[in-house]
Amino acid sequence: GQNIDQPTEMTATEGAIVQINCTYQTSGFNGLFWYQQHAGEAPTFLSYNVLDGLEEKGRFSSFLSRSKGYSYLLLKELQMKDSASYLCVTITGGGNKLTFGTGTQLKVEL
Amino acid sequence: DAGITQSPRHKVTETGTPVTLRCHQTENHRYMYWYRQDPGHGLRLIHYSYGVKDTDKGEVSDGYSVSRSKTEDFLLTLESATSSQTSVYFCANSPGTASNYGYTFGSGTRLTVV
Repeated sequence: GQNIDQPTEMTATEGAIVQINCTYQTSGFNGLFWYQQHAGEAPTFLSYNVLDGLEEKGRFSSFLSRSKGYSYLLLKELQMKDSASYLCVTITGGGNKLTFGTGTQLKVEL
Repeated sequence: DAGITQSPRHKVTETGTPVTLRCHQTENHRYMYWYRQDPGHGLRLIHYSYGVKDTDKGEVSDGYSVSRSKTEDFLLTLESATSSQTSVYFCANSPGTASNYGYTFGSGTRLTVV
């Protein structure tokens, strides 16, 4: 089966850096997404990793280690609007089967 | 225009009644999906479609059916709603297999079964 673990909640300070970790156990792994979801809204795409290493996109970076079943999302220069749930999502089954983690609720404080 | 629109956005219905949720896309993507989101669970796949009239079950398909008669529309039907189907339902689409563009989600339908 598929299993994804990520912290339930995290709190960080505006302007700081925060790292949200995700570990997974899955068969037929084909990549990993990170999504952001504000309360009451749709998930929105942040990043996609298929090879080992770091993908950087503005203030957000995502890292993947396939051998360790591990990913993290790094958010720099935190802003209040970054308060949201961050979903770790594995991709299997030829690219169309997604398994969602339960999300990490990030609270950014002044 | 939003790429995916869901209707209705909110609905309250009684146990045992049929309910149909609609998902409409403007992007002509091949793949469309229905997910439900509940506290303590990640989004879970109900059904998906890989083309007109081509659909398949997801992990939580019991009590749900779908239809896709046109590329742009994907309907989710609860034949006889139950309280366990109270949830937020999200539709999504993708052009093909997972890629750097991810999946795009609609704004969701909050369904309450009383």
